[in-house]
Amino acid sequence: KAGVTQTPRYLIKTRGQQVTLSCSPISGHRSVSWYQQTPGQGLQFLFEYFSETQRNKGNFPGRFSGRQFSNSRSEMNVSTLELGDSALYLCASSSGRTATNEKLFFGSGTQLSVL
Amino acid sequence: ELKVEQNPLFLSMQEGKNYTIYCNYSTTSDRLYWYRQDPGKSLESLFVLLSNGAVKQEGRLMASLDTKARLSTLHITAAVHDLSATYFCAVEDDKIIFGKGTRLHILP
Repeated sequence: KAGVTQTPRYLIKTRGQQVTLSCSPISGHRSVSWYQQTPGQGLQFLFEYFSETQRNKGNFPGRFSGRQFSNSRSEMNVSTLELGDSALYLCASSSGRTATNEKLFFGSGTQLSVL
Repeated sequence: ELKVEQNPLFLSMQEGKNYTIYCNYSTTSDRLYWYRQDPGKSLESLFVLLSNGAVKQEGRLMASLDTKARLSTLHITAAVHDLSATYFCAVEDDKIIFGKGTRLHILP
């Protein structure tokens, strides 16, 4: 069973640009969560999508947005990039956390550098 | 708003020693996770704890949950170098919130 796939693995952008990151969850999983990881702030929750609907949202500005497609693949978009957006963006999938003992499965992440 | 605090944030210890990482959280929850992250890698699930008093063990790691105290512990027994990593606890209310992680360095 293939794991969570994130593309691209590395990305370099300049301030003011926008970026789109992609996440393909484990087959059969309907929930995709996105996290931003930085050395200073750790792992911060961005949002979660379940069956194409945003189920939860963290405390990030509106420049951060996402969507989920009917095949459960998800994209995350960051517009008007700032230097502080440089981070590892992790995607995690689950079947929806409706079952006991369920957990998140993480992808390898996209390392975004904003210059 | 749910807050998750881990301590210590950094831990350097000798092989063969025992130590405990603590995870406190601020609101009622009955689902807690422990993850491991190696440098440059993604997160790997270690344990899912679902109820008060839950205890799970895998090799030299043992995790426990006290929902009344809002506290989970990750105990390392007779540490070995391979356990060097960053360990995260995470707590679920309507979303899963992570602690800042404990960077564990085990010296040979």
